[in-house]
Amino acid sequence: GENVEQHPSTLSVQEGDSAVIKCTYSDSASNYFPWYKQELGKRPQLIIDIRSNVGEKKDQRIAVTLNKTAKHFSLHITETQPEDSAVYFCAGGDSGAGSYQLTFGKGTKLSVIP
Amino acid sequence: DARVTQTPRHKVTEMGQEVTMRCQPILGHNTVFWYRQTMMQGLELLAYFRNRAPLDDSGMPKDRFSAEMPDATLATLKIQPSEPRDSAVYFCASGLSPLNEQFFGPGTRLTVL
Repeated sequence: GENVEQHPSTLSVQEGDSAVIKCTYSDSASNYFPWYKQELGKRPQLIIDIRSNVGEKKDQRIAVTLNKTAKHFSLHITETQPEDSAVYFCAGGDSGAGSYQLTFGKGTKLSVIP
Repeated sequence: DARVTQTPRHKVTEMGQEVTMRCQPILGHNTVFWYRQTMMQGLELLAYFRNRAPLDDSGMPKDRFSAEMPDATLATLKIQPSEPRDSAVYFCASGLSPLNEQFFGPGTRLTVL
């Protein structure tokens, strides 16, 4: 089955700086890679996702890049703000072969220092 | 603004007791997932359904956990008997197949004493 590794487990940045979180996956058949944000005591919510037919996707201050050859993908947050402080989870899944499940990384706790 | 709902939000119980958690997926979604979240293990998939049929429950301890979807508006996760190591937050999520955004419920925080 799929195995998703996420690094770092904790990350502290100054407000306004950029944050980068990296994930690697094991199953070359995986073709869907979402990122979820979970604020303290709240539910995980999707912030951005990417499919294997594209290499990069941006949404305002958030971007995700995918390297299929190396089997890794990264989340980039620019101009960080205190409200970006949360736990971020990457995930991978293969929409083919009748499987609909996602395998999540262990999470990165991002702290943005004002 | 459609949302996944879960009940109860919090549950404290004694070891050995039965626990039932309920989830109402977003209307029209055809996949439903049960996850367990702990500090040590992160988000673990326990079971999931497509069009109410169970597709995979390999993540569940079969001797004590069971998951069902009696109808399209209700998914249940049952633990019998409960153990202290079952203490965790249990999330239900729903979505549209094939793989797309999963919408999570608010979770049930379970404490087994």
